[in-house]
Amino acid sequence: GAGVSQSPRYKVAKRGQDVALRCDPISGHVSLFWYQQALGQGPEFLTYFQNEAQLDKSGLPSDRFFAERPEGSVSTLKIQRTQQEDSAVYLCASSLATNAFMGEQFFGPGTRLTVL
Amino acid sequence: QQQVKQSPQSLIVQKGGISIINCAYENTAFDYFPWYQQFPGKGPALLIAIRPDVSEKKEGRFTISFNKSAKQFSLHIMDSQPGDSATYFCAAIPNAGGTSYGKLTFGQGTILTVHP
Repeated sequence: GAGVSQSPRYKVAKRGQDVALRCDPISGHVSLFWYQQALGQGPEFLTYFQNEAQLDKSGLPSDRFFAERPEGSVSTLKIQRTQQEDSAVYLCASSLATNAFMGEQFFGPGTRLTVL
Repeated sequence: QQQVKQSPQSLIVQKGGISIINCAYENTAFDYFPWYQQFPGKGPALLIAIRPDVSEKKEGRFTISFNKSAKQFSLHIMDSQPGDSATYFCAAIPNAGGTSYGKLTFGQGTILTVHP
């Protein structure tokens, strides 16, 4: 079956441009996570959705970062006025459950963002 | 602030050998410890996970050892194969047995290379 998909897979932006990264979770998955993975590092939590509700956005690094999931399925991570330090792989993960013990997170392949 | 510290950064093992990766944590709220495997260009995939009420969990060639008092846990890969060459991340989830939705805190990663 289809896994988590993300698009685009690669994005090059000039400093100051706005970008939008898309995540298509596994159908029926309630929980959706965004993580940021800098080169050579482990992923770091950005934000969490349960259906369409954004329950945790504590990991968003600045107010330039905005995420939404308006219909409880597809999610978009938007970064305004991109900076070089935003260069990273952005990973999306989805889970069937809302409880950590009951729901494995399935990760997409990520979007590699390079800000010049 | 590194809440989960992982070592070594890189590891080279001969085929058939044992690969050992170690992690330590500070936050006593962590109570679920998954390990992820990541191949280049792919998202992390769950390998094996352990709860702190057990000291060891084995699945095939992969074993997690857990020392609650020392706040340390490790991954052992027995009979390592070239196909195991990947980056491995330990992770932790706080309050997984309660209301946690599964926010992952990752270690920094270990690049494992298994020579034929």
